[in-house]
Amino acid sequence: GAVVSQHPSRVICKSGTSVKIECRSLDFQATTMFWYRQFPKQSLMLMATSNEGSKATYEQGVEKDKFLINHASLTLSTLTVTSAHPEDSSFYICSAGGGTDLTEQFFGPGTRLTVL
Amino acid sequence: GENVEQHPSTLSVQEGDSAVIKCTYSDSASNYFPWYKQELGKGPQLIIDIRSNVGEKKDQRIAVTLNKTAKHFSLHITETQPEDSAVYFCAASITGTASKLTFGTGTRLQVTL
Repeated sequence: GAVVSQHPSRVICKSGTSVKIECRSLDFQATTMFWYRQFPKQSLMLMATSNEGSKATYEQGVEKDKFLINHASLTLSTLTVTSAHPEDSSFYICSAGGGTDLTEQFFGPGTRLTVL
Repeated sequence: GENVEQHPSTLSVQEGDSAVIKCTYSDSASNYFPWYKQELGKGPQLIIDIRSNVGEKKDQRIAVTLNKTAKHFSLHITETQPEDSAVYFCAASITGTASKLTFGTGTRLQVTL
């Protein structure tokens, strides 16, 4: 149980284009999903918390208009990187809150974004 | 907010030896402490967690200890194997819906033959 998938696993795009990343909880309903960003050899940095049916809560320093998050259902959250630039190249990881008291987080396999 | 420190940043052990990774946290309200293993190019995988109502938890070769008074917790891996080589992250949060995890900086464990 507690399987989270992400699509795509890798994406290469040109500077100025937008990229959408999907995060799905496959075997449970996730009221809350989280989006993280991870640079090489660094820890995970929380970008935003996404609650189903409401607006995402962004961490300080994360641009809301650049990283659009939609959590339209209990099994799907999407992150859209708008007008991507090379500095947005990173490993993006989502997680879904679950477990008996929804405290545990189950992570997806990540999406490697490369912006040329 | 919560701050989690993790040591060491790198750890090399011989196969069969034990490995210990330590973390400290700052927020006394934190009561959930998971450990994640991340292999290269993959997402973190939960390997064990502990809540503040217990001091120790064990799952086969992996154990976690928690000292609430000192605000530190540790991961212990016994009889290490090459497949244990990965980056390990500790984290802390407060239980409940939408509880945010604060991660440590990670420990790169290398198990050599």
